[in-house]
Amino acid sequence: NAGVMQNPRHLVRRRGQEARLRCSPMKGHSHVYWYRQLPEEGLKFMVYLQKENIIDESGMPKERFSAEFPKEGPSILRIQQVVRGDSAAYFCASSRGEGAYGYTFGSGTRLTVV
Amino acid sequence: KQEVTQIPAALSVPEGENLVLNCSFTDSAIYNLQWFRQDPGKGLTSLLLIQSSQREQTSGRLNASLDKSSGRSTLYIAASQPGDSATYLCAVDQAGTALIFGKGTTLSVSS
Repeated sequence: NAGVMQNPRHLVRRRGQEARLRCSPMKGHSHVYWYRQLPEEGLKFMVYLQKENIIDESGMPKERFSAEFPKEGPSILRIQQVVRGDSAAYFCASSRGEGAYGYTFGSGTRLTVV
Repeated sequence: KQEVTQIPAALSVPEGENLVLNCSFTDSAIYNLQWFRQDPGKGLTSLLLIQSSQREQTSGRLNASLDKSSGRSTLYIAASQPGDSATYLCAVDQAGTALIFGKGTTLSVSS
């Protein structure tokens, strides 16, 4: 039973390019969450999705960032026209639902913008 | 707005010591509280999940307690080992929001 799978593990992009980060939740989990961890800072919530629906995107920057969780396939976090400040570790978590189920995290994607 | 604070930010102990990591939160209306471990450059590993109706959870040398009314949780590590060196993160789960994390306690256990 694989855990939360994120790929790629490392991603290097030049300023202005697009970054696509993928997350496949644990089997049986229908809720996906994206977090960003900046150096020397804690994990910050970005967006919460269920299949084909964005439930809460209050933590996501209004511009350049978008997320989806299609009916088939992994959840995608897309960052357009990346800037140096987007360099961070991006973590995906999944859960069975809201409430007392706990969360399982993936190993993260480390994005470096050069 | 929920805020999670972890004290201390860093801790260095010799091998074999028992130690306590602290976590406090400002809003007691939580579903549960979860402790994670993060090794440098790695992802998060769940250590213990305490439901809001529970007072504590134990796994091996780890024991986590929860006092919702005072907004506090502690993670107790018995007989620490160098392999316990990592950053320990506390996170609370509330209705209508995703997990809210503290900034973590970085633990270093020397042999």
